[in-house]
Amino acid sequence: QQQVKQSPQSLIVQKGGISIINCAYENTAFDYFPWYQQFPGKGPALLIAIRPDVSEKKEGRFTISFNKSAKQFSLHIMDSQPGDSATYFCAASSSWDSGSARQLTFGSGTQLTVLP
Amino acid sequence: GAGVSQSPSNKVTEKGKDVELRCDPISGHTALYWYRQSLGQGLEFLIYFQGNSAPDKSGLPSDRFSAERTGGSVSTLTIQRTQQEDSAVYLCASSLGLVATDTQYFGPGTRLTVL
Repeated sequence: QQQVKQSPQSLIVQKGGISIINCAYENTAFDYFPWYQQFPGKGPALLIAIRPDVSEKKEGRFTISFNKSAKQFSLHIMDSQPGDSATYFCAASSSWDSGSARQLTFGSGTQLTVLP
Repeated sequence: GAGVSQSPSNKVTEKGKDVELRCDPISGHTALYWYRQSLGQGLEFLIYFQGNSAPDKSGLPSDRFSAERTGGSVSTLTIQRTQQEDSAVYLCASSLGLVATDTQYFGPGTRLTVL
């Protein structure tokens, strides 16, 4: 019920291409969906986040698409750059489950490599 | 301003020993979280502190794990009688704690290796 499934595990994209990472969840109480970017040796950093009241959110080259009925959300990185090479994690949390309202449930991560 | 800091950055210990991992959250952040990241895995929630409330310990994997937060600031995660399966990167995060969706800011982590 709490799991967030992420795919693919790894992704290789040419510079300038589009990177797409997908996540699916089961818990219908989830109402906050952030994406985190992690470089080697660093902690994850928030990249972009979405609430389920909108179907898409765009910040620069990064876009989250959200499908509430399918319980799926995805990250699109347009014009991918070598500097985008990192591990990306989707996550979810619920404002309604008072017992664990603020903990994030993370996907297993996608290692993105953008070739120059 | 300073971000979340953790110490040590690396810890190698022998099976059966106790270890203490430290987290200094961002000043003014009332919420503090510990997560564990095993090799090739996502982050696993361990424990959550919010102000002076009782911590949410629902993610602790066994009674060998404990954590405390002194003075609403610094936190220490203690693992007693370490096992090889405890080897992982332990990440601390903090947030303002005003609403559930406040951004969690992560530290660089402590890499624990149990021999």
